[in-house]
Amino acid sequence: DQQVKQNSPSLSVQEGRISILNCDYTNSMFDYFLWYKKYPAEGPTFLISISSIKDKNEDGRFTVFLNKSAKHLSLHIVPSQPGDSAVYFCGMDSSYKLIFGSGTRLLVRP
Amino acid sequence: NAGVTQTPKFQVLKTGQSMTLQCAQDMNHNSMYWYRQDPGMGLRLIYYSASEGTTDKGEVPNGYNVSRLNKREFSLRLESAAPSQTSVYFCASSPGGTHYGYTFGSGTRLTVV
Repeated sequence: DQQVKQNSPSLSVQEGRISILNCDYTNSMFDYFLWYKKYPAEGPTFLISISSIKDKNEDGRFTVFLNKSAKHLSLHIVPSQPGDSAVYFCGMDSSYKLIFGSGTRLLVRP
Repeated sequence: NAGVTQTPKFQVLKTGQSMTLQCAQDMNHNSMYWYRQDPGMGLRLIYYSASEGTTDKGEVPNGYNVSRLNKREFSLRLESAAPSQTSVYFCASSPGGTHYGYTFGSGTRLTVV
């Protein structure tokens, strides 16, 4: 039973537009949420995080939103750039270990 | 460059063979992890070591063993490889817990035939 779900395997957006990646979870005990980005043949790299006491965190073009009542996490990328094309994983803190979703492959078209 | 180093990068095994995947970090991190990545399944935790001297099972530990050799090194062993263990394996480390984020290695692509 998956605790963390990324229901969209892929997303395609035009350069300059907004990319919205979503993640749903079932465990209300998660208290820290992170997004990772992965290019082919490389390890995932940390992108942005948010604590459960907040509902929004921004870092440049990247904003993460947390809706605890809906158990929903989202990542907004504005404006999207071709270099953002990668697989994005959401991860959730569960007792000293991260549980990840299945990933969403983002393609930003020039 | 500082970070997490995994060896080997590629490996082909025959069913029933054994092998050890090596991982070392030079960031003085306390916690280390092994994940596997499979298509449509994302990153699944195999084993982790919250601190030197401790190891714990993750989501998919069956068929694997681990050793936290010292603070720097965390190895993953497949005693009798099976085709279902064909995957990309990632080692990661963090200062302690997950709030600081993980640093991942570049992965080991393992094929079991």
